[in-house]
Amino acid sequence: EAQVTQNPRYLITVTGKKLTVTCSQNMNHEYMSWYRQDPGLGLRQIYYSMNVEVTDKGDVPEGYKVSRKEKRNFPLILESPSPNQTSLYFCASSPRDYHLAYGYTFGSGTRLTVV
Amino acid sequence: EDKVVQSPLSLVVHEGDTVTLNCSYEVTNFRSLLWYKQEKKAPTFLFMLTSSGIEKKSGRLSSILDKKELFSILNITATQTGDSAIYLCAPGRVDAGNMLTFGGGTRLMVKP
Repeated sequence: EAQVTQNPRYLITVTGKKLTVTCSQNMNHEYMSWYRQDPGLGLRQIYYSMNVEVTDKGDVPEGYKVSRKEKRNFPLILESPSPNQTSLYFCASSPRDYHLAYGYTFGSGTRLTVV
Repeated sequence: EDKVVQSPLSLVVHEGDTVTLNCSYEVTNFRSLLWYKQEKKAPTFLFMLTSSGIEKKSGRLSSILDKKELFSILNITATQTGDSAIYLCAPGRVDAGNMLTFGGGTRLMVKP
């Protein structure tokens, strides 16, 4: 089944403790992206990657890191999480020319709470 | 800076009603506009619109884009409780890594 898999689905952590949210897709998509969703703010892009070893900042990159060493994986790293990073996170992927592929495929989301 | 505004923020209707959801946008290098439905988890794709004035339909849902006035509407006729969700619009750009800019969403609740 074609899908984007995120782990974990839920995570509660403490301020300053490094964490990684994994994202993997099995559709051979070139493009991958991370979004965070907060009430009333819609989805805001954190980072995106056009292909292996190519990453770039989205609208809200502060406090996050990403890497794209393999085409299928795009982990999101929070080196020192803070409470304002409490949010619902989505990973998404698409072929490079997304207009042919009806938009992004989203993962199921990771609900992160930083206390 | 790109801007997407959806209205209303929330809406409560009864089954059988017709609703119209609005999305206005200011996006440089506009390419297309997507509508998503989000229930309890990930957004799911509804429509992609690239041309003005051409209505896209899927069952009771339809959508249209006006590239001159920079807005799109999503219509849902004969609403059902299963239509309860957050509806997100997202204009996409030609550049910037195919980036979609999402609106804040319209929360629709359909009561029996």
